Amino acid sequence: KAGVTQTPRYLIKTRGQQVTLSCSPISGHRSVSWYQQTPGQGLQFLFEYFSETQRNKGNFPGRFSGRQFSNSRSEMNVSTLELGDSALYLCASSFDGARETQYFGPGTRLLVL
Amino acid sequence: QQQVKQSPQSLIVQKGGISIINCAYENTAFDYFPWYQQFPGKGPALLIAIRPDVSEKKEGRFTISFNKSAKQFSLHIMDSQPGDSATYFCAGGRGSARQLTFGSGTQLTVLP
Repeated sequence: KAGVTQTPRYLIKTRGQQVTLSCSPISGHRSVSWYQQTPGQGLQFLFEYFSETQRNKGNFPGRFSGRQFSNSRSEMNVSTLELGDSALYLCASSFDGARETQYFGPGTRLLVL
Repeated sequence: QQQVKQSPQSLIVQKGGISIINCAYENTAFDYFPWYQQFPGKGPALLIAIRPDVSEKKEGRFTISFNKSAKQFSLHIMDSQPGDSATYFCAGGRGSARQLTFGSGTQLTVLP
């Protein structure tokens, strides 16, 4: 069974731009969560989607948004990029949520200049 | 914010030794405590997990010890190997919230 895939793997943007990251979960998994990983703040939860609905959201500004499609694939969008948004963005999938094993993708490394 | 505090930040162990990483949590609603292992350039991978109704869980060389009253749990890696060199994250989760709160990570180096 293929793992979680994320595209693109690397991305360079400038301040003020917007970016869209994509995540394809493991086949059959309906829950997709997004995390931001930085050296200073560690791994922080962004949001979680299940059956195209956002079920939970972390403490991030409204510039961070996401969506999930009917095939469980998910995208996250960051608008008006700031330097501090430079991070590794990780997607994790599970059949249904935090009490089950979450399988992480390799991440998308975003650099904001 | 309900935190998970992890220590030490870095750990150096000789091959064959025991690596011990500790975590403390605040949120008594947590009902799931996983440990993740992350290699450079990779996403975290689940190593072992425990629920609060047991005090210890062992899988191969990896053991979680859990102390509910102290709100602490730890990862023990027996017979540590150079291939275990990675960053380890503890986390707490609760089913209703469907999210994980991670510790700050421990960079483990096992010397050959």
